[in-house]
Amino acid sequence: AQSVAQPEDQVNVAEGNPLTVKCTYSVSGNPYLFWYVQYPNRGLQFLLKYITGDNLVKGSYGFEAEFNKSQTSFHLKKPSALVSDSALYFCAVRDDTGRRALTFGSGTRLQVQP
Amino acid sequence: ETGVTQTPRHLVMGMTNKKSLKCEQHLGHNAMYWYKQSAKKPLELMFVYNFKEQTENNSVPSRFSPECPNSSHLFLHLHTLQPEDSALYLCASSVGQNYGYTFGSGTRLTVV
Repeated sequence: AQSVAQPEDQVNVAEGNPLTVKCTYSVSGNPYLFWYVQYPNRGLQFLLKYITGDNLVKGSYGFEAEFNKSQTSFHLKKPSALVSDSALYFCAVRDDTGRRALTFGSGTRLQVQP
Repeated sequence: ETGVTQTPRHLVMGMTNKKSLKCEQHLGHNAMYWYKQSAKKPLELMFVYNFKEQTENNSVPSRFSPECPNSSHLFLHLHTLQPEDSALYLCASSVGQNYGYTFGSGTRLTVV
């Protein structure tokens, strides 16, 4: 079985401050990890992924995520938050067999205050 | 637009109605998915199709019936739904197992 936990329903941060959105996962074998963002009345948009290689992955809009195998975590980060980053963020995982579709977390709402 | 188009954007239906949701992609992807998004819950995978063949059915009630006539089109036929089926239904597609999904904007379904 594979699962994702996003422990925070909401994260609040001031514009210009660094942000972190947490994600932990459980999967058999090696994980393929993804972050998506959802703006109001829209579908999910791909931000970044980790398949293999460097543990620090860089993605769209200045976001990055760090894969930590020992802690089974894949936290999303950005050095300086923008008001326009306010949205719903989803972490997703699947195993490396290719036989399962992505399993998503429940989402974390990011609010960036001006 | 992402390249995955879902229609209609909004749908209100009675519990005795029959309606269909449509998803279309011309990205050359070979896999298509239906997900259900309810407030404060994880996205729920409903169905997966690979090269038109259903490869996953996540214990979805039979009142939801998928159809994939070709690799570019995916339908979700709805019949005698319940109010708790009200949600945002998202379609996605992908080119292969190592790639992320491209999502449509979803159909907001309200069952009255």
